[in-house]
Amino acid sequence: DTAVSQTPKYLVTQMGNDKSIKCEQNLGHDTMYWYKQDSKKFLKIMFSYNNKELIINETVPNRFSPKSPDKAHLNLHINSLELGDSAVYFCASSQDLTVREQFFGPGTRLTVL
Amino acid sequence: QQPVQSPQAVILREGEDAVINCSSSKALYSVHWYRQKHGEAPVFLMILLKGGEQKGHEKISASFNEKKQQSSLYLTASQLSYSGTYFCGPTPLSNTGKLIFGQGTTLQVKP
Repeated sequence: DTAVSQTPKYLVTQMGNDKSIKCEQNLGHDTMYWYKQDSKKFLKIMFSYNNKELIINETVPNRFSPKSPDKAHLNLHINSLELGDSAVYFCASSQDLTVREQFFGPGTRLTVL
Repeated sequence: QQPVQSPQAVILREGEDAVINCSSSKALYSVHWYRQKHGEAPVFLMILLKGGEQKGHEKISASFNEKKQQSSLYLTASQLSYSGTYFCGPTPLSNTGKLIFGQGTTLQVKP
């Protein structure tokens, strides 16, 4: 059984479009995260949610809006896509906000043309 | 704010040892280590906590010097499966889950 799943795995789109990435975890964890990994492999946290509540919101453009309908799901919606948004986006989860291992999803490779 | 890892890259033969260092400019509560293979997601290896507790991988060891704000990952008798990019992720606080990852160290193990 997949612990943290993301859809789609690949996303190719034009500049200016709006797209969403979905994430689900079946681990019963309370905390979920979105990370962005750029072409230089730099892995940077974007958001975290704990029991559907936004905890971390790094300096991410307003075009990025996370939504957590329940604690097992954390989706990422991106408006007005730009070339610089091209990256691999990873969803992750952990049991809670304390010092815990994070389980990463397989990633979504977003390419903006 | 991003921790600094060294070396940036290392090439080993099977059976050789390697050390990857992670240094932060901030006081740390814990350090996480993850490994990412090409085209895959990062996978948890280890957490080192302030006070000396460790949780994680049975074949890889690490140290955490709280005073120096440094951690080191020790890969002994390396195997081909150890190849990948290693990331350290220090946490300055205990209750946010926030990891600030280093830039990564690419390890290649050759037969």
